[in-house]
Order: sequence, then C-alpha cells, then structure tokens
Amino acid sequence: AQKVTQAQTEISVVEKEDVTLDCVYETRDTTYYLFWYKQPPSGELVFLIRRNSFDEQNEISGRYSWNFQKSTSSFNFTITASQVVDSAVYFCALAAGNNDMRFGAGTRLTVKP
Amino acid sequence: KAGVTQTPRYLIKTRGQQVTLSCSPISGHRSVSWYQQTPGQGLQFLFEYFSETQRNKGNFPGRFSGRQFSNSRSEMNVSTLELGDSALYLCASSESRGRTEAFFGQGTRLTVV
Repeated sequence: AQKVTQAQTEISVVEKEDVTLDCVYETRDTTYYLFWYKQPPSGELVFLIRRNSFDEQNEISGRYSWNFQKSTSSFNFTITASQVVDSAVYFCALAAGNNDMRFGAGTRLTVKP
Repeated sequence: KAGVTQTPRYLIKTRGQQVTLSCSPISGHRSVSWYQQTPGQGLQFLFEYFSETQRNKGNFPGRFSGRQFSNSRSEMNVSTLELGDSALYLCASSESRGRTEAFFGQGTRLTVV
C-alpha cells in the first residue's frame, strides 16, 4: 500500500519566519519517487522538486530546502524567510512501481505580512 | 514552450448530463494523467494514458472515461453527472511513463447543479 501523510492541515506564519512542512510516506517498494508541488489560488500545481529513493542528499534551492530521511520515511520541506507570495497549498506526493502518483492531503500555508 | 492547456476552464452542467474535458500536454510529452480534486477527498487519480493506451486507472465508476489521441492530446468524459462530480479536474503531462516530474494544467472547474 502506498500512502502519503501531511499531518499539518493549515499553517500560519508571519513574513520572514521559517516554516517546515512535514511529509511522511509509506511504500513497500524499494524504488520510489517523492515530489513536492505548490498550488497557488490559480489552481495549477507547480512542480517544486523530485527525489528518488536512492538519493538521500538534501537539497537547497534559494529559500527552499528539502530533508529526505529514509529511516523515518519523511520528506520535509522548509521555507526560509517566508514571504507572502509563498502562501499556497503544498502537496507532497509519492510514486512507486506501476502505481499512480499518490498525493497527501496538502498543507495550506498562509504567510501574513 | 507552452504549458499544459486545459479547456474549458469553467463549466456548469446539470445532473444527468455528460461532459467532455480536454487537455493538451506539453509538446513532446506522451504521458497524460487526470486527477479529481475536491475539498473532501483531496487529489485523487483518475487515469493515465501513454501512447493512446490507458495504462493505469483509479478507483472511479465507469461513468468516468478518457482517451488519448495520436498527438497526445487527451479528453476525459463523465456521463450521467452527479452533484458529487463537482470538482476541479486537473491534467498532468510528463515526458514518459516512469517517474519523471509531471506538469499540471490550471484545471477545469466543473460545477454540477
């Protein structure tokens, strides 16, 4: 069974705060891919990052960073010095085997000025 | 490079009617997947098409169907609409099957009254 859990339904922070969005996944496959997407109010999901199960190296892209830990089946996403434009719903997703991409329920991030 | 284009953006239909939604993937992308997004159920996978063949199907009734044309454009059809079919329908395209990143369109918001 494949499952993605985003326990945080909503997070509200003030601009310039750092914020971490949690993602925990379940799969029996040894090869799998993890993704983060951002959904602004316009509706389309914007691809942020993909990680495969063999690459546990953390990644930083500007104010965004991702922490992949197989030992805890987590793939957390941190925004440093948040900005109002970061306000959106963020989805973590898992793809493994021949299965479809499974999304978590999403975390709604509100960044207040 | 043009992104994923979904038409129409908004649609209002009456219960019992049928509807066809269209998705034009990014040029060169051969895989198209469809998702239904509702507040209650989140993002749910409908089906995936690759090279005009349905490769994967989610847990939806037979009223939901789709197809893919030789130019990779895809359509999905919902017959005998129900109120519960009201949702944002998202299309995603990717270069190939496997776990490359998927790029999403802005979706079609369907309202059934």
